[in-house]
Amino acid sequence: GAVVSQHPSRVICKSGTSVKIECRSLDFQATTMFWYRQFPKQSLMLMATSNEGSKATYEQGVEKDKFLINHASLTLSTLTVTSAHPEDSSFYICSARLTGGGEKLFFGSGTQLSVL
Amino acid sequence: DAKTTQPPSMDCAEGRAANLPCNHSTISGNEYVYWYRQIHSQGPQYIIHGLKNNETNEMASLIITEDRKSSTLILPHATLRDTAVYYCIVRVWGSQGNLIFGKGTKLSVKP
Repeated sequence: GAVVSQHPSRVICKSGTSVKIECRSLDFQATTMFWYRQFPKQSLMLMATSNEGSKATYEQGVEKDKFLINHASLTLSTLTVTSAHPEDSSFYICSARLTGGGEKLFFGSGTQLSVL
Repeated sequence: DAKTTQPPSMDCAEGRAANLPCNHSTISGNEYVYWYRQIHSQGPQYIIHGLKNNETNEMASLIITEDRKSSTLILPHATLRDTAVYYCIVRVWGSQGNLIFGKGTKLSVKP
């Protein structure tokens, strides 16, 4: 099946620093990628939809200036958490839609962000 | 998208079949039933999907009732590695949007 690589898997940073998370579709092109956030014992919540070559669409309540998304190519989307604070500590997961693959989404392995 | 209802948790003995139910009584004619699972600290994994016929693949079987108001995911021989949260999602094929995850069913496979 299609593979989505997400890096890093775990990051610990100090409050106020920025963290970049990469999401790559390894063997397919993805015009659309999604970024989710998951707090402990909760379900995945969509943060934003990333479209190649255009601005991302953010869900209500998600600050676009804090969570910068860049989808510069058909195989790479990045999420940058700017000026991270402890409340941003969470599990971040990306997913990619296989173009022409219908509703199947392929997910990265997730990034556990811990802000001290 | 139609709403789904799943039990919050289930236990299953290793080697036995795990049957995970899902209710989707408001499903419309063009909506498919999808199942994903999420093993702890990993991203979700696609399992199977179907419209109205029963489906089987190397991971699981999906049984959809004739009226399509409910379905059951069957893991025929559960292993400890099948311990995960299982999500039942109803969605129109090709609708381009994201998947909306409910709370799912936490399946615990016990030795």
